[in-house]
Amino acid sequence: EDQVTQSPEALRLQEGESSSLNCSYTVSGLRGLFWYRQDPGKGPEFLFTLYSAGEEKEKERLKATLTKKESFLHITAPKPEDSATYLCAVQATFGLTGGGNKLTFGTGTQLKVEL
Amino acid sequence: DAMVIQNPRYQVTQFGKPVTLSCSQTLNHNVMYWYQQKSSQAPKLLFHYYDKDFNNEADTPDNFQSRRPNTSFCFLDIRSPGLGDAAMYLCATSRDRGGTEAFFGQGTRLTVV
Repeated sequence: EDQVTQSPEALRLQEGESSSLNCSYTVSGLRGLFWYRQDPGKGPEFLFTLYSAGEEKEKERLKATLTKKESFLHITAPKPEDSATYLCAVQATFGLTGGGNKLTFGTGTQLKVEL
Repeated sequence: DAMVIQNPRYQVTQFGKPVTLSCSQTLNHNVMYWYQQKSSQAPKLLFHYYDKDFNNEADTPDNFQSRRPNTSFCFLDIRSPGLGDAAMYLCATSRDRGGTEAFFGQGTRLTVV
């Protein structure tokens, strides 16, 4: 069974204090790893897709990296508007239900950035 | 500009009274998903459609049903809601199978009284 574990569960940073969020995964064969941002009471917002170990993607203050066992979301000089829950999800090469469409999510890291 | 639209945003229903949540998309994506997310938990896949092909997760209760009358619309029917079904229900779409990102709607917060 595919599993995703995110750490820490919660993280409090001062504005400008860089840090990293971790996503460890076990999957039969990785088709893709996805990062999402979720604001309270809203649906997840897509950030990145990573497909193979060594791949990196960047967007503004966020940078996602991937190894064979985990992914990191690096936040450089965060601002209060970066406060949200960050979700990681994996998609296996072939699921048991209709062709590998299933995303398995972690429980997320709740990030709070303070002035 | 909203691409995946869920209605209503908030739904209150009585214990045991059937309720339907709706989702529409303007992306013309082949795949539509329904996820359930309880407080501080990971979204959990209930079922998905690839075009008209319906795929039910093994642990999705029989109480939950879905319909996709056309490419743009998908419905989640809860036949007899229990208190444990109170949650955020998320609809998502993706262009194709495997490896393509899913885009989520804003969710419907369901309260059962």
